[in-house]
Amino acid sequence: DTAVSQTPKYLVTQMGNDKSIKCEQNLGHDTMYWYKQDSKKFLKIMFSYNNKELIINETVPNRFSPKSPDKAHLNLHINSLELGDSAVYFCASSPWGDQYEQYFGPGTRLTVT
Amino acid sequence: RKEVEQDPGPFNVPEGATVAFNCTYSNSASQSFFWYRQDCRKEPKLLMSVYSSGNEDGRFTAQLNRASQYISLLIRDSKLSDSATYLCVVNMGGSQGNLIFGKGTKLSVKP
Repeated sequence: DTAVSQTPKYLVTQMGNDKSIKCEQNLGHDTMYWYKQDSKKFLKIMFSYNNKELIINETVPNRFSPKSPDKAHLNLHINSLELGDSAVYFCASSPWGDQYEQYFGPGTRLTVT
Repeated sequence: RKEVEQDPGPFNVPEGATVAFNCTYSNSASQSFFWYRQDCRKEPKLLMSVYSSGNEDGRFTAQLNRASQYISLLIRDSKLSDSATYLCVVNMGGSQGNLIFGKGTKLSVKP
């Protein structure tokens, strides 16, 4: 059984398009996250939600909008895609609390052409 | 000073070798520390949490030095399957779950 799943796994699109990435976790965790890993492999948090409430909103362009319909899902919508958005986007989840492991999804490799 | 700093490597070692990775962090108020492992084109996975007293899990030993704001990971008797990138991860406080990942240290274990 997949703990944290993301769709799609690969996404190739043109500049200016709007796209969404979906994430679901079946671990019963309260907190979910979106991370971006760029070409230099640097993994950086973008957003976190706890029980559908936005907790962390790092400095990302407002073209990126997360949406959490329920605590098991956290989707990421990106408007007006730019070349610099090309990266691997990871969803993760954990129980609420700093001491807990975060479980990552397999990642979505986004390529903007 | 960067929030979490690691030597990027690569560390190329023969099977059976002992290898150590170091990491420094900038926020003296950090309370949670981890080592994650990331294989090529895969997601990061927790290797071990790091506790104040140091902790060991099989061939892996993690140490924390709060005074120096320094974390280490020691791998004994390296296996080919240990080849991966090792990420030092620190909670930066402020918001729960706000983990800061180092850029990782790449390890390659050769036969």
